[in-house]
Amino acid sequence: DTGVSQNPRHKITKRGQNVTFRCDPISEHNRLYWYRQTLGQGPEFLTYFQNEAQLEKSRLLSDRFSAERPKGSFSTLEIQRTEQGDSAMYLCASSSARLAFFGQGTRLTVV
Amino acid sequence: DQQVKQNSPSLSVQEGRISILNCDYTNSMFDYFLWYKKYPAEGPTFLISISSIKDKNEDGRFTVFLNKSAKHLSLHIVPSQPGDSAVYFCAAYDGSSNTGKLIFGQGTTLQVKP
Repeated sequence: DTGVSQNPRHKITKRGQNVTFRCDPISEHNRLYWYRQTLGQGPEFLTYFQNEAQLEKSRLLSDRFSAERPKGSFSTLEIQRTEQGDSAMYLCASSSARLAFFGQGTRLTVV
Repeated sequence: DQQVKQNSPSLSVQEGRISILNCDYTNSMFDYFLWYKKYPAEGPTFLISISSIKDKNEDGRFTVFLNKSAKHLSLHIVPSQPGDSAVYFCAAYDGSSNTGKLIFGQGTTLQVKP
């Protein structure tokens, strides 16, 4: 399977805990994006990497959120001190030209 | 500020008939548009796209129409099939930005009845 892969698919965590998600993009894509989707809404942009450089972060990305893409390959998104409002689907996408391919997402539930 | 709007949260059509999903945008710098399909608990899957220099793009049962003056696009599915039942998202690229991030609408849930 050469598509975008995300792990885990589901995560249930207690409020206040830290969580980390992983994204493996399509190997030849140098652009990687994180989006968040809540119920009844479309995906909202969180952050963007060109190779290993994080070039843009949304105002949605509070200081509890951090993303990395070491060596320009896989990426991780960490949420510290999770809150119930962080419950959402976190989507990763990689792109070539103007076509973005999405992973299956990580569904986060904060209880 | 919702720059891409899908004003119909849901649409129900009979199998074999045409499904028309609509999308409006406000930013005149948007220059490339895409439609994605999403099943529950899965990521969005690319369907079809259109550049702002065109007014129509067709791929099999799917056709996207773009009316730049009205800042409106629509996705036509003919004939509709039960497997088309999903959430459809309209998305746009801002031509003035080099990040390549997508701006999504809220989505329209399509139900195709057998």
